[in-house]
Amino acid sequence: QSALTQPPSASGSPGQSVTISCSGTSNDVGGYNYVSWYQHHPGKAPKPIIYEVTKRPSGVPDRFSGSKVGNTASLTVSGLQAEDEADYYCGSYAGGNNPPWVFGGGTKLTVL
Amino acid sequence: EVQLVESGGGLVQPGGSLRLSCAASGFTLSDHYMDWVRQAPGKGLEWVGRSRDKARKHTTQYAASVEGRFTISRDDSKSSLYLQMNSLKTEDTAVYFCARDRAGNYSWDYWGQGTLVTVSS
Repeated sequence: QSALTQPPSASGSPGQSVTISCSGTSNDVGGYNYVSWYQHHPGKAPKPIIYEVTKRPSGVPDRFSGSKVGNTASLTVSGLQAEDEADYYCGSYAGGNNPPWVFGGGTKLTVL
Repeated sequence: EVQLVESGGGLVQPGGSLRLSCAASGFTLSDHYMDWVRQAPGKGLEWVGRSRDKARKHTTQYAASVEGRFTISRDDSKSSLYLQMNSLKTEDTAVYFCARDRAGNYSWDYWGQGTLVTVSS
């Protein structure tokens, strides 16, 4: 069982918005502004899309946005496109705990 | 262009050993912290361990689940990172990714495609 809780699936039609949640504790998500999100097409390298809760790496469209309230972080994908269909994982720094980084179980995003 | 390419995965019996490699290109390996992260079939990601940069003498840190069985090393001259896995268990079956630390931001900015390790009799 993963340390962070994500819904196993999410879906939306092209052009719509979808939000994926990532729930943790005050020891990880709630305790640090070091939540990151990764897009993963199976068989390929995971692609970072959000770091430090809200920041987008260079080249990531602004359709992807991140936020956090308390112990729950969220990834919102606006203007859904077919290529957004993938698995999405959240990760968080957990400080002096072992392991110092924890992840969610992943959310399969389907573009209908 | 930064690239990370893992290799060395395969089928191994419980109790056996395997060494994974991660070939890095497009950057100076010695300047970066590097991590191994794994994904068991149908499961989420799990942090395995870290090798710090040359300035921190390549010190290592491991998840409790692999401490004492796995060892991370590197050869900066070959731009390669390694994961030596001993006393393998069936629960170590996973795709193993190497990833470059995004300096100072507690996340990773580049990942490899992964290599599959299957521990089974």
